[in-house]
Amino acid sequence: DGGITQSPKYLFRKEGQNVTLSCEQNLNHDAMYWYRQDPGQGLRLIYYSQIVNDFQKGDIAEGYSVSREKKESFPLTVTSAQKNPTAFYLCASSIGSGRSSYNSPLHFGNGTRLTVT
Amino acid sequence: AQSVTQPDIHITVSEGASLELRCNYSYGATPYLFWYVQSPGQGLQLLLKYFSGDTLVQGIKGFEAEFKRSQSSFNLRKPSVHWSDAAEYFCAVGVRVGITGGGNKLTFGTGTQLKVEL
Repeated sequence: DGGITQSPKYLFRKEGQNVTLSCEQNLNHDAMYWYRQDPGQGLRLIYYSQIVNDFQKGDIAEGYSVSREKKESFPLTVTSAQKNPTAFYLCASSIGSGRSSYNSPLHFGNGTRLTVT
Repeated sequence: AQSVTQPDIHITVSEGASLELRCNYSYGATPYLFWYVQSPGQGLQLLLKYFSGDTLVQGIKGFEAEFKRSQSSFNLRKPSVHWSDAAEYFCAVGVRVGITGGGNKLTFGTGTQLKVEL
C-alpha cells in the first residue's frame, strides 16, 4: 500500500544534541512538508519541498534543517538551536506538479513524538 | 496572510445527536478548504475538501461541509454522531505554492476536540 512512513514513532534526546527525523513516501508525490504540532496550537509549517534538491522555509524554520536528495525522502533535523524542540512532528506529501496540485490534499504520516530533556 | 479560526476548542455531543464544527477563514483569493480528523497519537486523515463548484461538499464517514463565501465559513456537519467520531478535527486553508504547480501550503486552525457521550 502507498503511504508515508515516519520513524521512529517516539524519540528521546538530551538537550544540546541534534536529532534527525525520517520521512519516506512511496506515493510518487513531488511535494513534501514538515509540520510541528503543539497542544492548542494546531499544526505549523516548518519546511516544504516542491521538488528534489529544492526546499523552502515555512513559518517556523528557525532551529531546523532539511534535505531533499531523493523524491521519496525528506528528513528533518532538529538542531540544538531549536529552543523548544519537544513536540509532535508530522510529515506530509502531495501531488506537486501540474494544475491539479493546487487543490490536492496533503497525505500525512503517523508522526514522530520527540522529547528533549 | 491566510488564517483559520476554529472558535470551539472542545465540543461534547451525545451519540446519535447532530454535530456542527465551526471554521472561519481569512484569505484574499478563492480558498481551497479542507477538513482533517486526527485520532490520538496519529497523523491526519482527510475528511473532505472544497475548491470550486457546489458549495455543499460530501466527505467520508458521513461528514459534509458547506462553503459560505459571504460568511468566510466552512462548517463541518454530521447528522448523527457515532462514538467512533471522537477525535480532534482540523480545518485548513490551502495556498498555492507556485504558478504552474508545486502543491499546497496548508494553514491549519487550532483544532476542535470532539467528545461523544454514550
